[in-house]
Amino acid sequence: GAVVSQHPSWVICKSGTSVKIECRSLDFQATTMFWYRQFPKQSLMLMATSNEGSKATYEQGVEKDKFLINHASLTLSTLTVTSAHPEDSSFYICSARLAGVGEQFFGPGTRLTVL
Amino acid sequence: GENVEQHPSTLSVQEGDSAVIKCTYSDSASNYFPWYKQELGKRPQLIIDIRSNVGEKKDQRIAVTLNKTAKHFSLHITETQPEDSAVYFCAASRGNTPLVFGKGTRLSVIA
Repeated sequence: GAVVSQHPSWVICKSGTSVKIECRSLDFQATTMFWYRQFPKQSLMLMATSNEGSKATYEQGVEKDKFLINHASLTLSTLTVTSAHPEDSSFYICSARLAGVGEQFFGPGTRLTVL
Repeated sequence: GENVEQHPSTLSVQEGDSAVIKCTYSDSASNYFPWYKQELGKRPQLIIDIRSNVGEKKDQRIAVTLNKTAKHFSLHITETQPEDSAVYFCAASRGNTPLVFGKGTRLSVIA
């Protein structure tokens, strides 16, 4: 149980385009989902916390107008990177948490390359 | 907010030896401390976790210890094998807050 999927697994796009990444909890309802970004040889850095039906909470330094997060249902959260630039190239990983449980279940990640 | 420090950043051990990775945290209200193993290009995999009401937890070759007073916790891997080579991350949270990760330790097990 507690499986989280992410789509796409990788994407290459041109600078200035927008990219949408989906995160789904397959066998449980996730009231809270998290979006992390990981640059090569670095740790996972939290970008935002997404609660179903409400606005996402962004970490300091993360532009909410650039990284649009939607959590419309208990099993789906989306991250849209708008007007992507080469410096946005990274590994984006989502995670989902069961209500009242500390453990977070991670998706397989999406590797974004912006040319 | 929470801040997690992890040491060492790299660790090389001979196959069969033990490996120890240490983390400290700043938020005394944190009560959940997981350890993740991440292989290149893949998601972090939970290998063991501990909650603040326990001082030690063991699962076969892996153990974690927690010292709440000193606010540090450690990962111990015994009888290391080449397949243990990966990047290991510690993390901390209050349970209802996001996980905050350490910077990671690249473990190399030399056959």
